[in-house]
Amino acid sequence: IAGITQAPTSQILAAGRRMTLRCTQDMRHNAMYWYRQDLGLGLRLIHYSNTAGTTGKGEVPDGYSVSRANTDDFPLTLASAVPSQTSVYFCASSEDGGAKDTQYFGPGTRLTVL
Amino acid sequence: GQNIDQPTEMTATEGAIVQINCTYQTSGFNGLFWYQQHAGEAPTFLSYNVLDGLEEKGRFSSFLSRSKGYSYLLLKELQMKDSASYLCAVRDSNYQLIWGAGTKLIIKP
Repeated sequence: IAGITQAPTSQILAAGRRMTLRCTQDMRHNAMYWYRQDLGLGLRLIHYSNTAGTTGKGEVPDGYSVSRANTDDFPLTLASAVPSQTSVYFCASSEDGGAKDTQYFGPGTRLTVL
Repeated sequence: GQNIDQPTEMTATEGAIVQINCTYQTSGFNGLFWYQQHAGEAPTFLSYNVLDGLEEKGRFSSFLSRSKGYSYLLLKELQMKDSASYLCAVRDSNYQLIWGAGTKLIIKP
């Protein structure tokens, strides 16, 4: 089934630990995105990639890093987790990042940092 | 700064009509999106407007006025399954989506 998968579904993490959230899409989309969603706030863009081999910073990039080695995968790494990174993380993809481009979302990862 | 405003919560009755408003102030405008998000699930695409006017898609319609920085999502013949959050997002001059906090719609029988 075509779409976006994320792993893990949920995770409880001790502060200071390193964590990588995985995201894979099989729609051959060029653009991919990582958002965090917190209660009372809109989705906030962390990092994005318009095509394999390139990445860019979004609104809230501090404490996070990404890589885009190929079209399908876009992992998000928290180098040293802090409690303020407790959130629901959504990965999304779209064809080309153009004006009418529609973003499709993965099921999300619920992360708790203690 | 960039800002998207939506009501936090609305309540409506099954079978009725509800209008969810969205006002925006962004650096540039390259289209407005509406997404639906059921609790604990991912957002799913509902509609896209880039020109002024009404776009109709079944029970859902979306309206845009660029001069007023205003959009609304109209849901007709409400069903219990329409209980969800509705997210408004604007694509800015950098082609990034700026998201509102969402409107939680509660449908009562």
